Amino acid sequence: DVKVTQSSRYLVKRTGEKVFLECVQDMDHENMFWYRQDPGLGLRLIYFSYDVKMKEKGDIPEGYSVSREKKERFSLILESASTNQTSMYLCASTFPSDGVNTGELFFGEGSRLTVL
Amino acid sequence: GQNIDQPTEMTATEGAIVQINCTYQTSGFNGLFWYQQHAGEAPTFLSYNVLDGLEEKGRFSSFLSRSKGYSYLLLKELQMKDSASYLCAVMDSNYQLIWGAGTKLIIKP
Repeated sequence: DVKVTQSSRYLVKRTGEKVFLECVQDMDHENMFWYRQDPGLGLRLIYFSYDVKMKEKGDIPEGYSVSREKKERFSLILESASTNQTSMYLCASTFPSDGVNTGELFFGEGSRLTVL
Repeated sequence: GQNIDQPTEMTATEGAIVQINCTYQTSGFNGLFWYQQHAGEAPTFLSYNVLDGLEEKGRFSSFLSRSKGYSYLLLKELQMKDSASYLCAVMDSNYQLIWGAGTKLIIKP
């Protein structure tokens, strides 16, 4: 059974703290993504990666960074958490869309972060 | 700009049929996805359409008209467990996914 695992389901942090959100997939997917999800808004892409050590900015990268040292692991880092980063964070992975694979995303369970 | 529109909320009765619409304006098109998301859980894949027409998968069907920038998800024989949000997403010419805000479907007995 395919699996994307996020390290923490719920976190509470204080403003200014550094936050690490980890994501591991066991499907040998090349592509990995970090989204945030807020009520009334669609999923918003923070960063994505198509290969080890490769990263690309999504639509809302400000205040975030990422790391992909191994193919199966994609980490999201909040260098100095702020209250407007309170959100649900979703990691996803997939094979590239290439006519054989559709690019269907497999999501982790999500990490709900509250910044006080 | 790129845009996906879907109703915010719909209500239907157990055993009935419901159609959730999605209209899109994107830079190019490489497929349209529907995902289901139960409250507090991750989205899960329901369907993928890249050619015009209807794709049927059990109680769920998805339709696409590329010329109209339109899709719908049809749910038949509704069950209480179908209460969830349904997310429409389009893959643009750069193979990036553009997401709608989701439709919350409430099923009443």
